[in-house]
Amino acid sequence: GAGVSQSPSNKVTEKGKDVELRCDPISGHTALYWYRQSLGQGLEFLIYFQGNSAPDKSGLPSDRFSAERTGGSVSTLTIQRTQQEDSAVYLCASSLDRAEQYFGPGTRLTVT
Amino acid sequence: GQQVMQIPQYQHVQEGEDFTTYCNSSTTLSNIQWYKQRPGGHPVFLIQLVKSGEVKKQKRLTFQFGEAKKNSSLHITATQTTDVGTYFCAGHDSWGKLQFGAGTQVVVTP
Repeated sequence: GAGVSQSPSNKVTEKGKDVELRCDPISGHTALYWYRQSLGQGLEFLIYFQGNSAPDKSGLPSDRFSAERTGGSVSTLTIQRTQQEDSAVYLCASSLDRAEQYFGPGTRLTVT
Repeated sequence: GQQVMQIPQYQHVQEGEDFTTYCNSSTTLSNIQWYKQRPGGHPVFLIQLVKSGEVKKQKRLTFQFGEAKKNSSLHITATQTTDVGTYFCAGHDSWGKLQFGAGTQVVVTP
């Protein structure tokens, strides 16, 4: 079946604009994670959804960042009033509970 | 909270040599996972270890989970240029959240 997909693959936006990044996880996967990765850096955890539980938002860097997961499937990461330091690759991953994570190809965000 | 640390951060290896990268957690892990990210790509799952003292091999890669389930290692023998990339370890904490280490970036010199 299809893997994790993310859209758009690239997004260039002006400073101050809002952006929405989408993640389509593998069907049936209960866990969904969002990460941010700057060039040459590690994975910065942003948010974690597990089933119907309240999401773990402890990694969101500011209140400009929010995410939702509708119907336990598709997730959207929203960044309001984007800043240049938000430029990075945003990765989504899904898994079955504590099994291996499958990563999407990422969205490369550039804030000009 | 739980922290997962990896050392070294960078590893320069001559082709054909062996090297080891280490992963240490501040708390006991229910499992340990290893991922590889090639330059320009996204992390790809390599293996999962669950049992205390478990050792698993994938061709030239040997993965080990410590007896106390707080550390792990990845040993690569006879390094090849195809081994280039960043290797991440990750462990689930008691709440089920997966915590990634910062990764070991491997550069192979022909």
